[in-house]
Amino acid sequence: DTGVSQNPRHKITKRGQNVTFRCDPISEHNRLYWYRQTLGQGPEFLTYFQNEAQLEKSRLLSDRFSAERPKGSFSTLEIQRTEQGDSAMYLCASSSEPYEQYFGPGTRLTVT
Amino acid sequence: AQRVTQPEKLLSVFKGAPVELKCNYSYSGSPELFWYVQYSRQRLQLLLRHISRESIKGFTADLNKGETSFHLKKPFAQEEDSAMYYCALKSNLGNEKLTFGTGTRLTIIP
Repeated sequence: DTGVSQNPRHKITKRGQNVTFRCDPISEHNRLYWYRQTLGQGPEFLTYFQNEAQLEKSRLLSDRFSAERPKGSFSTLEIQRTEQGDSAMYLCASSSEPYEQYFGPGTRLTVT
Repeated sequence: AQRVTQPEKLLSVFKGAPVELKCNYSYSGSPELFWYVQYSRQRLQLLLRHISRESIKGFTADLNKGETSFHLKKPFAQEEDSAMYYCALKSNLGNEKLTFGTGTRLTIIP
């Protein structure tokens, strides 16, 4: 499968714990995006990388959230001191040009 | 601020009947509009974008700037069209984020 991959697919954590998700984009794609999707809503933009540079961040991305793409390939999204409101599906997408974003399967986070 | 509204959360249509999924947007500039689709147990994927003006799987969508709408249409629904459909907007100001609507679940009744 040469599509976008995300790990883990599911994560259950207790409130207050830190979690980290990984996204591996399609190999030739220089753009990488993170979105969050809660029940009954569409995906909401969190942040965007072009190569290793983080170029856009949403106000949804509080200080507890940090994203990296150290070598312009895979990316990680870390949430510190998780809260129940962080429970959501976290989607990663990649693209080689601005028009079509290819989405991964998502990581479902449940904070208990 | 940019916003996308999909007024119908659920839509059921008989096989062979016409389909129209509504999408309205709010944006002060000239946006780029997209329709994304998510079939059961599959990932979100692009269906079509307004700048390409093409028909994909029999679906078309026309950008109406006067009515700020980008409705998705298909003249004859097929069972395989059952899916979740999201309308999305990207600004023309160089930023890359997509703003999605809340989605419409389309069910085709055999």
